[in-house]
Amino acid sequence: AQSVTQLDSHVSVSEGTPVLLRCNYSSSYSPSLFWYVQHPNKGLQLLLKYTSAATLVKGINGFEAEFKKSETSFHLTKPSAHMSDAAEYFCVVSTSGGYNKLIFGAGTRLAVHP
Amino acid sequence: DTAVSQTPKYLVTQMGNDKSIKCEQNLGHDTMYWYKQDSKKFLKIMFSYNNKELIINETVPNRFSPKSPDKAHLNLHINSLELGDSAVYFCASSQVGSHTEAFFGQGTRLTVV
Repeated sequence: AQSVTQLDSHVSVSEGTPVLLRCNYSSSYSPSLFWYVQHPNKGLQLLLKYTSAATLVKGINGFEAEFKKSETSFHLTKPSAHMSDAAEYFCVVSTSGGYNKLIFGAGTRLAVHP
Repeated sequence: DTAVSQTPKYLVTQMGNDKSIKCEQNLGHDTMYWYKQDSKKFLKIMFSYNNKELIINETVPNRFSPKSPDKAHLNLHINSLELGDSAVYFCASSQVGSHTEAFFGQGTRLTVV
C-alpha cells in the first residue's frame, strides 16, 4: 500500500532564508507524488507534481521538489522564504488502478518570521 | 470562474439534524471526490465518483450518502449528525485515470453542537 510520511509537523524559518519540508513515501511501484499548500481557512492548491518524468520538479511560487528513488524521498524546497509562504503543506501520493485516490501526509506547518 | 465550488462555506447545526453540502465543478472532469479534514488537519478520502458511478467508498458510516445527479455535481448528505462529524469537508475533481492531480473546492466547515 502507498503512504507518505512528513518528517516535520512544524518548520519555522526567517524571511529570506531557505525552506526545506521533508517527505518520504512508500510505494510498491513508481508513484505519482504531489505537494499541496493550504493557507489558513482556504482550500488546497497544487504546488507541483512528479509523474515519472524529470526528477527535479519546479512548481509555483518558486518551490521545487526532487524525487529520489534510492531514498524514497520527495522533499520540497524554496531558496528564499516569503511571509506569504506561511501555510500548511501536504505531501501526497497517488494510488494506481485506473481511478485516482490521493493519500495525504499529516502536513507540515510552515511559519515564516520577519 | 471558480473551478470547484462548494456550498455552504460554513454550516453550524445541532446533533441529530440532517444536512447537505453541494459541490459543482466546471472543469469537465469525470471524477469527483469528497475528503474530510479533521481538527488535526489530517485529510482522508471518503468517496469518489466517476461519471455518476460510485468507485471509492472508504469505511464511512451509512449516515453519509453521496449523490451525483450528473458528472459535474457531487453532493454529500449527512443524516443524524453527531459531534464527531465536525470537520472541514472538501470536494475535489480530477481527470479520469491514474496519477492525475485533484482540484479542490474551498471547503465546508461543519460544526455540530
